[in-house]
Parts: sequence; C-alpha cells; structure tokens
Amino acid sequence: DIQMTQSPSTLSASVGDRVTITCRASQTISNWLAWYQQKPGKAPKLLIYKASSLESGVPSRFSGSGSGTEFTLTISSLQPDDFATYYCQQYNSYWTFGQGTKVEIK
Amino acid sequence: EVQLVQSGADVKKPGESLRISCEGSGYSFPNYWISWVRQMPGRGLEWMGRIDPSDSYTNYSPSFQGHVTISVDTSINTAYLQWSSLKASDTAMYFCARGEGIEVVTPSHFDIWGQGTTVTVSS
Repeated sequence: DIQMTQSPSTLSASVGDRVTITCRASQTISNWLAWYQQKPGKAPKLLIYKASSLESGVPSRFSGSGSGTEFTLTISSLQPDDFATYYCQQYNSYWTFGQGTKVEIK
Repeated sequence: EVQLVQSGADVKKPGESLRISCEGSGYSFPNYWISWVRQMPGRGLEWMGRIDPSDSYTNYSPSFQGHVTISVDTSINTAYLQWSSLKASDTAMYFCARGEGIEVVTPSHFDIWGQGTTVTVSS
C-alpha cells in the first residue's frame, strides 16, 4: 500500500497569509495526486488534480506542485472561507488519503 | 447539474443489516466508476471500494474486503453500500464519489461527491 503523510497536522494562520501544506508519498506516484478541502459535516471538495491542475471553479489562490514523492498545496492569500481541513490523495495505485491538515484561525 | 445524492442518516443496533444508497444525476451514470469512502468520527478519509456501473465489476480495499458489499442498479442510477452484520466500529460518515470514466485506463481523482450518510451503530 502507498502511504501518504501530510505536514503539518494543524496550521494556525491569519487572513492574507501565504500557506503551504506538504504531502509525501511512501513511493513514487508520478503526478497522480489530488488535493481536497473539507469543512465540518460536509463532503470533500476537489481543488487540484494531477498534482497541479486547478479544478474548474476553484479560486486561483490555490495551487499545487510536485511530482514523484513530494507535493505541496499553496494558498497564496488565505481567505476566511479557506479555514478547513485539507487532504491529499494518491491515485497511482488504488486510492490513499493523507491524514489531513487543519487550517485554523491564528 | 451533475450530482450524487445519498440516502439519509441511519441508526442501527449491532448485528443488524443496512444498505445505504447514492443516486447519480446530470450525467451518464453507467459510464463512470463510483467509489465509497469512510470517515470515522474525527478521523480522515479511507477508500473502501468502487464499482463499474456498466457491468457491476468491483474492487475493494483489503481493509474492507469481506466486510461490505458494493452494488448498483443502473435502471435507477443508484449505487449501494451494504453491511450484513453491523458493528459499533462501523459508526461513521460514508461518502460516495465519482471517479474516472469506465473507458479510462488509469485511475483518477474524485470530482463529484455525495453529501454523506451518517451511520450510527449502537446498542
């Protein structure tokens, strides 16, 4: 099984901050990686697929990068609606999610 | 609008059976894989398994193989997740999600998600 490890687990930030979340795969997954945003009691929402492709309708302040085993999600200027939990997901071999990163208000 | 709509919350006792549903609309339901994802209280997301609605072919995560059954009824564009004997540890929210087209040879991300079904198992 491919394991996905996110860091940090929790991130405290303010509106306007630049935020970066890292996701590492236990083996190479090329660019078969997606990022999701989840708010409490709601379904995950797709933000980024194929490591760096922005899903239609997602604000351009979200961006993804990386390939192989190391990936990042960046929010260029954190907005009030962005306080949520973020998950990476590999789909190189079935599907595995990271443990999540909670972005909370500082 | 492309959407997946899941059945409502359910409360069951240990040992009881349960089937929850996921109805697709706004797209050609038989042509896209449907996956099920578990989220236990306060925990992360776990892929359980998936089904090809066109022929009912299934893949399961080893962690869930034998514990749940995924099925589909394409006449009503609905996928199902079923338990024959629930345990307290099955208490969770369950999501269905749309994957890649059935003709696509590589796995894909999940672009459309159901709203989730909360299952509570308690004596």
